Amino acid sequence: SQQGEEDPQALSIQEGENATMNCSYKTSINNLQWYRQNSGRGLVHLILIRSNEREKHSGRLRVTLDTSKKSSSLLITASRAADTASYFCATEPGSGGSNYKLTFGKGTLLTVNP
Amino acid sequence: GAVVSQHPSRVICKSGTSVKIECRSLDFQATTMFWYRQFPKQSLMLMATSNEGSKATYEQGVEKDKFLINHASLTLSTLTVTSAHPEDSSFYICSARGRDNSPLHFGNGTRLTVT
Repeated sequence: SQQGEEDPQALSIQEGENATMNCSYKTSINNLQWYRQNSGRGLVHLILIRSNEREKHSGRLRVTLDTSKKSSSLLITASRAADTASYFCATEPGSGGSNYKLTFGKGTLLTVNP
Repeated sequence: GAVVSQHPSRVICKSGTSVKIECRSLDFQATTMFWYRQFPKQSLMLMATSNEGSKATYEQGVEKDKFLINHASLTLSTLTVTSAHPEDSSFYICSARGRDNSPLHFGNGTRLTVT
């Protein structure tokens, strides 16, 4: 099975609403990261949360991590049309010598309607 | 901030030809670069990890003779798709990481279409 499964696969909301995306993973991790991808473009790093952290904020973004449930959530508050993009979680393995290899989930396509 | 430039952004080639994609770190030294492939509406699949001055490490199922990776300097890695077939059509993305523990920086990807 693929490490880093996001749900929902697609989410459509109105501007001003909050958007919550979830990510589950299967193996131990060193950290979990969230990325954003606009259509046909590369990925932009949003936020990193380490395995010993439970919550992190960055602007309108809030990330939680529950290592006991092997899950994370990304909350975007007061969404804007410009937030429309695909959002991916990625996990860095907890074993040594990972060389920072990230495993990406399938992503959530967020559409924010004006 | 750190910038990774990937070129070309789009390329169309005929079956049997080879295509080279460049990935450059513009303002930092990238000791490690990663190459990914992404199919439409799907996730990024890691193809290989490239370390400056050494041979690339390929993921299981990725043909190293078909996807040639060269990381000759701390700012440049290239991916050459040899004898391209239509099934190689995809979106290829590189990422780079510096010497510190900074997050990965991604290029904007290359859309390859093999006719």
